[in-house]
Amino acid sequence: DQQVKQNSPSLSVQEGRISILNCDYTNSMFDYFLWYKKYPAEGPTFLISISSIKDKNEDGRFTVFLNKSAKHLSLHIVPSQPGDSAVYFCAARESGSARQLTFGSGTQLTVLP
Amino acid sequence: ETGVTQTPRHLVMGMTNKKSLKCEQHLGHNAMYWYKQSAKKPLELMFVYNFKEQTENNSVPSRFSPECPNSSHLFLHLHTLQPEDSALYLCASSQETGANSEAFFGQGTRLTVV
Repeated sequence: DQQVKQNSPSLSVQEGRISILNCDYTNSMFDYFLWYKKYPAEGPTFLISISSIKDKNEDGRFTVFLNKSAKHLSLHIVPSQPGDSAVYFCAARESGSARQLTFGSGTQLTVLP
Repeated sequence: ETGVTQTPRHLVMGMTNKKSLKCEQHLGHNAMYWYKQSAKKPLELMFVYNFKEQTENNSVPSRFSPECPNSSHLFLHLHTLQPEDSALYLCASSQETGANSEAFFGQGTRLTVV
């Protein structure tokens, strides 16, 4: 059973508008969450992260929101640009000594010019 | 330059072949990982090495054999693979200290088993 779920395999957004990518998790031991972006034929690159002690983290056009009670996080990109078109993976890490990341299946974002 | 380099980028091998994937990181990290990405699926963690010691093996078949000779290099030895093993194999590294840190990924090896 997947502990990190991205239920939307794809999302299309007009350039300049907001992109909202969603992620749900089931493991209450997760305390650190990350978003990665992946272009074709490249490895995932780190985008932004958030610790469970926060509910929002912002970096330029990218903002991640965490709702612990709902076990839900989202990535907001505003304004969206065509270069943002990529697959976005949500990942989570448990507290304690286990440091490996558990990934969602990804959402393909297409920003239309 | 991602700091994590994987070779080869593409590999086609027969089911009776033996091949190895190589990963090298130039970031001074002390943990390295192998992930498998199949189409439309999440990245699946295969192996974790922390300070050159294997700390995790997520029920990976023995036809995949990792090797970590030092904290900068990681290999994945492949033998008698099956067509369903065709996937993108990603290496990653991170700094395992008390603080949270992200993993840095290589560009991956696209493996096709014929």
